[in-house]
Amino acid sequence: DTAVSQTPKYLVTQMGNDKSIKCEQNLGHDTMYWYKQDSKKFLKIMFSYNNKELIINETVPNRFSPKSPDKAHLNLHINSLELGDSAVYFCASSTQETQYFGPGTRLLVL
Amino acid sequence: SQQGEEDPQALSIQEGENATMNCSYKTSINNLQWYRQNSGRGLVHLILIRSNEREKHSGRLRVTLDTSKKSSSLLITASRAADTASYFCATDAGSARQLTFGSGTQLTVLP
Repeated sequence: DTAVSQTPKYLVTQMGNDKSIKCEQNLGHDTMYWYKQDSKKFLKIMFSYNNKELIINETVPNRFSPKSPDKAHLNLHINSLELGDSAVYFCASSTQETQYFGPGTRLLVL
Repeated sequence: SQQGEEDPQALSIQEGENATMNCSYKTSINNLQWYRQNSGRGLVHLILIRSNEREKHSGRLRVTLDTSKKSSSLLITASRAADTASYFCATDAGSARQLTFGSGTQLTVLP
């Protein structure tokens, strides 16, 4: 009965690889987000997706692309992974003002 | 850039004491929210205060908002070891339902 779930929980991969992180919410929310949290715990929004409208943080490299097959899912695909991509990635969803976060995916790029 | 800056970065207190964390932000906001993050977990929403409100309570939490100073504070009364976590303020300043998070305060409550 998890509200916002992410898979995988841990992801260790080599530089240059392409990987995806999946996110699903069963709350019926219409807006979903991806955040990146670095080693200093700074949390930065990467994308928000609402009714097929994608809002992209301008600082996000175009190697990152969100894909939403339906309203309950917002997956994150990352091409050509770099060392600096190592972080914890959080998915979240909201219907009004507050956001509900997933447990996070810990990505380590070697 | 970070909208919110939190102070202190880290706070260590004894169980039963009160903990106060402060948040400053830069632009006009619709509301300000506080979230808690336990180690290795996602963020959990605690409380929301709107720009036309000055104070709000929820259980042992008390939040104040001073829009003239662009600052907010979170008070946790009678702290417990289980309150040990990172606490983040987040501001809602636009129409895209996007939040901008502060740098967080790491609270440690010693038993």
